[in-house]
Amino acid sequence: GESVGLHLPTLSVQEGDNSIINCAYSNSASDYFIWYKQESGKGPQFIIDIRSNMDKRQGQRVTVLLNKTVKHLSLQIAATQPGDSAVYFCAENSGSSNTGKLIFGQGTTLQVKP
Amino acid sequence: DTAVSQTPKYLVTQMGNDKSIKCEQNLGHDTMYWYKQDSKKFLKIMFSYNNKELIINETVPNRFSPKSPDKAHLNLHINSLELGDSAVYFCASSRMTGNTEAFFGQGTRLTVV
Repeated sequence: GESVGLHLPTLSVQEGDNSIINCAYSNSASDYFIWYKQESGKGPQFIIDIRSNMDKRQGQRVTVLLNKTVKHLSLQIAATQPGDSAVYFCAENSGSSNTGKLIFGQGTTLQVKP
Repeated sequence: DTAVSQTPKYLVTQMGNDKSIKCEQNLGHDTMYWYKQDSKKFLKIMFSYNNKELIINETVPNRFSPKSPDKAHLNLHINSLELGDSAVYFCASSRMTGNTEAFFGQGTRLTVV
């Protein structure tokens, strides 16, 4: 069935260190993936996306890596800051590129220690 | 200027009542969505509309009825509220139904007592 999972429910890092948040997906038909950040009391906020014809995409302090062979997605945050503390979700389109439907993973809580 | 705004932010109501949540987007997007987030933070799509037309209905009980009077608005009406409906409901919009990011509202925390 469809599922998107994250390997760890909580990740604690020291301020200034790099963070890596992992995600496994099950649908090999998925061709679009996206990372969201959700701060407490707010809606999910877009961070970065990647299409299946790419294996890496970089943004400002963030990098997403896609390994289609093992159906694995990761989000790397460089020089993690206290403002990065939030719940991070990966999502896939599960091959439904004509509907906009996104299947979300369960989320990883990132805690940044000062 | 809030891009996707939904009201109310909090809603506490008794079982059996009927309630509505409103959503408006000023981004000029064609597609709007409703998602439900449970107490474990799990986000699941409920509905999506493209230019006022229903695109996705994810086996949601028919007590939930979305209404899109125009492409900038997607309201959610819930009849006969049940305890299990307690959750945070998020409205979102995207430029199109294709592979593109969705912009989320701040959420409506619904508590059924």
